[in-house]
Amino acid sequence: QIQLVQSGAEVKQPGASVTVSCTTSGYIFRDYYIHWIRQARGRGLEWMGRIDPNGDVRTYAERFQGRITVTRNTSTNTVDMHLTDLTVDDTVVYYCARSSGRYRFDYWGQGTLVTVSS
Amino acid sequence: VMTQSPDTLSVSPGERATLFCRASQSVSTNLAWYQQKPGQPPRLIMYGASNRVTGVPGRFSGSGSGTEFSLTIDSLQSEDSAVYYCQQYNKWPPLTFGGGTKVEMK
Repeated sequence: QIQLVQSGAEVKQPGASVTVSCTTSGYIFRDYYIHWIRQARGRGLEWMGRIDPNGDVRTYAERFQGRITVTRNTSTNTVDMHLTDLTVDDTVVYYCARSSGRYRFDYWGQGTLVTVSS
Repeated sequence: VMTQSPDTLSVSPGERATLFCRASQSVSTNLAWYQQKPGQPPRLIMYGASNRVTGVPGRFSGSGSGTEFSLTIDSLQSEDSAVYYCQQYNKWPPLTFGGGTKVEMK
């Protein structure tokens, strides 16, 4: 079955960086985009960026430009999201999600809580 | 910008719930709806404004185009209690979500 499994929770200090991994299985990795979406506790959903695993093309939301890097590994069918210069406002749950060329998200990872605290 | 209303909807079991989503500019029918329960990721339930995802109960229906959309849940069941989000995928970046509507049982 189709699965997106994310790495575990992280605790970081302000100014640090974090990498969250998303390991996919059950489908052809190169056929779908992987997006990163985040959600503050009790709040709405915010799209951060996406990668085309086939062409390695990345697109990021403007507010994260310069801080976010999304990479993919076609050998392990994994997509990583790296976020730098963390602040307390980055204390949220991060999700990876899959889409076809129509950017609606049909499968999601379980979520990864990143806590930024001194 | 996607705006959802109301923020919270309290509905008696078996009654109908209607949720609204408004786009600040036309998104054609490139709109999806998600259901999110506590501690879980969102679940896609509707796409193309009115196409139900396989496995979603028939009591869920979507309508609208352009800037005005609605999601209707007929004969509300206890398992339908959740937060519902709309999302436009017509123009990006960024892909954008509404703020959510919480549906609770009265």
